[in-house]
Amino acid sequence: GAGVSQSPSNKVTEKGKDVELRCDPISGHTALYWYRQSLGQGLEFLIYFQGNSAPDKSGLPSDRFSAERTGGSVSTLTIQRTQQEDSAVYLCASSFRGLNTEAFFGQGTRLTVV
Amino acid sequence: AQTVTQSQPEMSVQEAETVTLSCTYDTSENNYYLFWYKQPPSRQMILVIRQEAYKQQNATENRFSVNFQKAAKSFSLKISDSQLGDTAMYFCASHNYNNNDMRFGAGTRLTVKP
Repeated sequence: GAGVSQSPSNKVTEKGKDVELRCDPISGHTALYWYRQSLGQGLEFLIYFQGNSAPDKSGLPSDRFSAERTGGSVSTLTIQRTQQEDSAVYLCASSFRGLNTEAFFGQGTRLTVV
Repeated sequence: AQTVTQSQPEMSVQEAETVTLSCTYDTSENNYYLFWYKQPPSRQMILVIRQEAYKQQNATENRFSVNFQKAAKSFSLKISDSQLGDTAMYFCASHNYNNNDMRFGAGTRLTVKP
């Protein structure tokens, strides 16, 4: 596609349920990032994938959070047993490693845990 | 891991005036890029300006310019002739070229007043 696509754009879930957030990066981009943005706040790094290297999971807030990237393309962020504090916008970005590289962002998924 | 610090959570400026947003970063890498992104209420992240660390000349994009002080690891953004459409969250980011790791600051909420 022309840009980074995230789905769903909005998700409301009950506390304790599992959710899956999807990110479809720009074709050919080797790096994929997940960030979390609480209401009106900054970007909190969660995880990033670079090519075939092991992902950097250092930002995942708890073991309820996991992410995978299949075939070096689409990524899924999974949150198990959701809690109200997980409510936030989850942003995905992708980039191509090279000169003048920049990250392109999706529109995000707004997750609300009720 | 690299870190990015934005010490101004909120700022305001009168229309047509100039404002400077601060950013400091810390990285052990030699090859990196610095970026300023803008996030308007639409939530879509937009690249404002980029700076390659190996370049001494400060980047400029129309009304936007940076003051890059490599030794001090400082990267401030100056917005001249501020416009109402500049109202947004502004994020500073550091992007390592070698491993594609990208980290953001907490953001500065800028309000341009008429």
